[in-house]
Amino acid sequence: GESVGLHLPTLSVQEGDNSIINCAYSNSASDYFIWYKQESGKGPQFIIDIRSNMDKRQGQRVTVLLNKTVKHLSLQIAATQPGDSAVYFCAENRGSGYSTLTFGKGTMLLVSP
Amino acid sequence: NAGVTQTPKFQVLKTGQSMTLQCAQDMNHNSMYWYRQDPGMGLRLIYYSASEGTTDKGEVPNGYNVSRLNKREFSLRLESAAPSQTSVYFCASSEYGQPQHFGDGTRLSIL
Repeated sequence: GESVGLHLPTLSVQEGDNSIINCAYSNSASDYFIWYKQESGKGPQFIIDIRSNMDKRQGQRVTVLLNKTVKHLSLQIAATQPGDSAVYFCAENRGSGYSTLTFGKGTMLLVSP
Repeated sequence: NAGVTQTPKFQVLKTGQSMTLQCAQDMNHNSMYWYRQDPGMGLRLIYYSASEGTTDKGEVPNGYNVSRLNKREFSLRLESAAPSQTSVYFCASSEYGQPQHFGDGTRLSIL
């Protein structure tokens, strides 16, 4: 069935490295994508979003890339810090009109000092 | 700036007991949502309310009911709790086409 999934369940990096977290989606009608960060014991926190009419969007230390040809989404975190350690989820909003988000299973990012 | 507030934060129930999870948002959002999160899983939608006065089933609605009490509040009720409903429950709110904002969850254990 159609789903949002992640290639790497756990990503370990050194402090100062750049991190890339990937997400595949299968619904070509999806038009809005969001990345969330979830720290232990807390709810998901919005990081950045992108709409299907864009292929790149930048925030503070984060960049989201959208490749609609291969249905792939990535989150790049520059100069990763220990405080970036968390689970990262991608989510997609499928189709036009009112629709709900479908979440991937998440990738754990571990940052070593 | 409270955002989305969920109560209680923790709860232990016995099988067959009932309870209501409360959620309130202060961002004047029209839409509200209830999710459950199980270990190693993403968030799965239980019920949502696109606007005040409407509710709809999500991916996993069985065993739950909801009430959109007013624009601010959206409650989730377990009528007869089962061990399979042990989970972390998250409430969220949003405007249409905008990111959802989440509370910090209710950790529910059913024995």
